[in-house]
Amino acid sequence: EPEVTQTPSHQVTQMGQEVILRCVPISNHLYFYWYRQILGQKVEFLVSFYNNEISEKSEIFDDQFSVERPDGSNFTLKIRSTKLEDSAMYFCASTGQGLGEQYFGPGTRLTVT
Amino acid sequence: GENVEQHPSTLSVQEGDSAVIKCTYSDSASNYFPWYKQELGKRPQLIIDIRSNVGEKKDQRIAVTLNKTAKHFSLHITETQPEDSAVYFCALGESGGSYIPTFGRGTSLIVHP
Repeated sequence: EPEVTQTPSHQVTQMGQEVILRCVPISNHLYFYWYRQILGQKVEFLVSFYNNEISEKSEIFDDQFSVERPDGSNFTLKIRSTKLEDSAMYFCASTGQGLGEQYFGPGTRLTVT
Repeated sequence: GENVEQHPSTLSVQEGDSAVIKCTYSDSASNYFPWYKQELGKRPQLIIDIRSNVGEKKDQRIAVTLNKTAKHFSLHITETQPEDSAVYFCALGESGGSYIPTFGRGTSLIVHP
């Protein structure tokens, strides 16, 4: 069964550094998402991406964040200048249609020190 | 954005008992209501979903009921087993080009053998 994959599984970075989190969505899916989950808390929507552009974004997704689909397979989340409060699990998800089952990746645990 | 309240935050049951988790929401435009199961350290996985044109949906031991008038939907797990122990998140959203899911805060279900 096809799966969403994410790399790295764990990223440790210093405050102020840039990080890029990578995702490979399921190949025939059209909608892509990034979520954040602070330890022990709920899943929070960051951004959705369709047809090579951002469809929606939440208040969390400020100017420090950006997304890109540089080629036909990868979907990346960049945080330009990380803050301590960016420490969380970041999940990528994809779906074949706008309203339907979201397939989550295994997540990248970001630790900002 | 949409607000969703999920209760209880923790639910402890004996193996074989039933478990019910409820979510209430405010935006009557919401028309898609998925439930996700997240085991410790793993990704959220869809276990069941319902759309607003349906009042109830069942899949083996799991069922979801939706009351659009009262704006609440519930997850029912019958004959619980220890492997049902996990955090369960309700979510909801509205179709229309893009889908921005809002997640509940999660319910930690503990099934005692």
